[in-house]
Amino acid sequence: QVQLQESGPGLVKPSQTLSLTCTVSGGSISSGGYYWSWIRQHPGKGLEWIGYIYYSGSTYYNPSLKSRVTISVDTSKNQFSLKLSSVTAADTAVYYCARPSLHYWYFDLWGRGTLVTVSS
Amino acid sequence: DIVMTQSPDSLAVSLGERATINCKSSQSVLYSSNNKNYLAWYQQKPGQPPKLLIYWASTRESGVPDRFSGSGSGTDFTLTISSLQAEDVAVYYCQQYYSTPPFTFGPGTKVDIK
Repeated sequence: QVQLQESGPGLVKPSQTLSLTCTVSGGSISSGGYYWSWIRQHPGKGLEWIGYIYYSGSTYYNPSLKSRVTISVDTSKNQFSLKLSSVTAADTAVYYCARPSLHYWYFDLWGRGTLVTVSS
Repeated sequence: DIVMTQSPDSLAVSLGERATINCKSSQSVLYSSNNKNYLAWYQQKPGQPPKLLIYWASTRESGVPDRFSGSGSGTDFTLTISSLQAEDVAVYYCQQYYSTPPFTFGPGTKVDIK
């Protein structure tokens, strides 16, 4: 079955850019019409949807993060990526890649998540 | 954005007893054209990602035990665990997917054993 796996640095310095990649296995990122998403969870807190990308490259970002977020896709590697610029300690969180159901926006597939700490 | 709230923040229930979690949205998530409530529930255990339990407010995801049930409509929803098991200790989140993005989650309700 389809699985998601996040990867990237666990420690980022303030003002730098956070970069994460989600590798999709067991299925093609280009098939099925899914919108591939990033969601984050601050330590001990709730969930915040960051944005999505379609395999064609179309994106939509949470307005609260839009000025700092870029999500891209590499269909040849079956991966999609997140870049978050000008990070601060407030961006310390577990970052999940996730996939909503085919037609509606409840999330039935999640990666295990990766903790990113912003600290000098 | 639609704001989701949950109550209580936490609760402790004896094994085998009922646990009830409430979720409220700042505006209706009932889509009149199909009479569906765009509301999902998730369970998150420590160190794990959220797991989808229920969507359309009351439809259980495949493999979810039938002791989990969802109800409600419009702006007020409930997740009920009919007979709490030890493995149900977790944080539970509601999420609306009615509006255009951003899709928003509730702050979570922690369920423990009394």
